[in-house]
Amino acid sequence: ETGVTQTPRHLVMGMTNKKSLKCEQHLGHNAMYWYKQSAKKPLELMFVYNFKEQTENNSVPSRFSPECPNSSHLFLHLHTLQPEDSALYLCASSQDFERVSYNEQFFGPGTRLTVL
Amino acid sequence: GENVEQHPSTLSVQEGDSAVIKCTYSDSASNYFPWYKQELGKRPQLIIDIRSNVGEKKDQRIAVTLNKTAKHFSLHITETQPEDSAVYFCADLQGGYNKLIFGAGTRLAVHP
Repeated sequence: ETGVTQTPRHLVMGMTNKKSLKCEQHLGHNAMYWYKQSAKKPLELMFVYNFKEQTENNSVPSRFSPECPNSSHLFLHLHTLQPEDSALYLCASSQDFERVSYNEQFFGPGTRLTVL
Repeated sequence: GENVEQHPSTLSVQEGDSAVIKCTYSDSASNYFPWYKQELGKRPQLIIDIRSNVGEKKDQRIAVTLNKTAKHFSLHITETQPEDSAVYFCADLQGGYNKLIFGAGTRLAVHP
């Protein structure tokens, strides 16, 4: 696999379920991101990790919990979601300099999440 | 907070015509402005970007212009082709932070 991969590609879950989304980048980058893409807000930043440290939490509800165990992997743990959380969740990575991203962000294919 | 406004939301052109998409931003400290293209069912991909120390950048049929005084930047596509049909997102890097703020997107349709 090359680039940025995400699993699963599709996920249907009930409001009481717990699930996790996984992202892996094979580009040697040091920053990773979670975005939410929906009809209401086309590309909404959720979390940013630089060098495995969370540097941005864009006022995301606590039912979304990110985890970055190393610079290649990023998880998004989901717990008691609401139907309005149904969206495409995109992961991205970039090579940052001094924690500022002037470089291209490479996106994964996304996970299409449906909350029933 | 920082806001990026993008216009138009939809744009329909004939093949061979030019297309222009415009974005305005509010943070005077912003200094990096990328454009991403997202084809139907695919992931967003960077097509061109510009930093605040230049006013224009070209790459074959696409160009981006930046007016820092007016706080707006534009994407220009010349000699459009059907494969240019996609959603285009502008973005600006929030000054001093590692945070891209995206516009709402423009759906471009190029008709043969």
